[in-house]
Amino acid sequence: DIQMTQSPSTLSASVGDRVTITCRASQSVSSWLAWYQQKPGKAPKLLIYKASSLQSGVPSRFSGSGSGTEFTLNISSLQPDDFATYYCQQYNSYPYTFGQGTKLEIK
Amino acid sequence: QVQLVQSGAEVKKPGSSVKVSCKASGGTFINYAISWVRQAPGQGLEWMGEIIPILGTVNYAQKFQGRVTITADESTSTAYMELSSLRSEDTAVYFCARVHGDYAPFDYWGQGTLVTVSS
Repeated sequence: DIQMTQSPSTLSASVGDRVTITCRASQSVSSWLAWYQQKPGKAPKLLIYKASSLQSGVPSRFSGSGSGTEFTLNISSLQPDDFATYYCQQYNSYPYTFGQGTKLEIK
Repeated sequence: QVQLVQSGAEVKKPGSSVKVSCKASGGTFINYAISWVRQAPGQGLEWMGEIIPILGTVNYAQKFQGRVTITADESTSTAYMELSSLRSEDTAVYFCARVHGDYAPFDYWGQGTLVTVSS
């Protein structure tokens, strides 16, 4: 199985900050990497697919980059609605696997 | 607009089984795959398996092999996930999610179904 490791596990930031979350795969997943945002009691929401493609309707302050085994999610200017938990997920091969999540908290 | 609507919360005894449904509307059901993902309380996301109705194929995570059965009824655009031999560690919210095409992410999700396993 491909292991996905996110860092940091928790991130404290303020409105307006730029933040970066990293995701590493234990082996190459090419560009088959997605990022999701999840709020308490809700289903995850797709933000980024194919490592860097922005899902329709997602604000442009979200961006993704990387390929192979190293990926990043950037949020350029944090808004109050962005405080949530973020997960990366590889869909290069079965079993699909997720990172453990990064909780983005208000500083 | 694609919607995935799941069945309601369940409370089950250890050793029993649960079957959760996921009814799709919008889009053409046979043209996409449905995955099942679970989330234990306070924990991360865990993929369980996926069905591809147009191919008639199902793939399961090794962890759940032998205990989970995923099926689909094209006539009602509904996918099902049945988990047997339930134990307390299976207490979780179970989500269905759509995969549209080859090498595609989960673009639409159901609202989640809480399954509580308790004696």
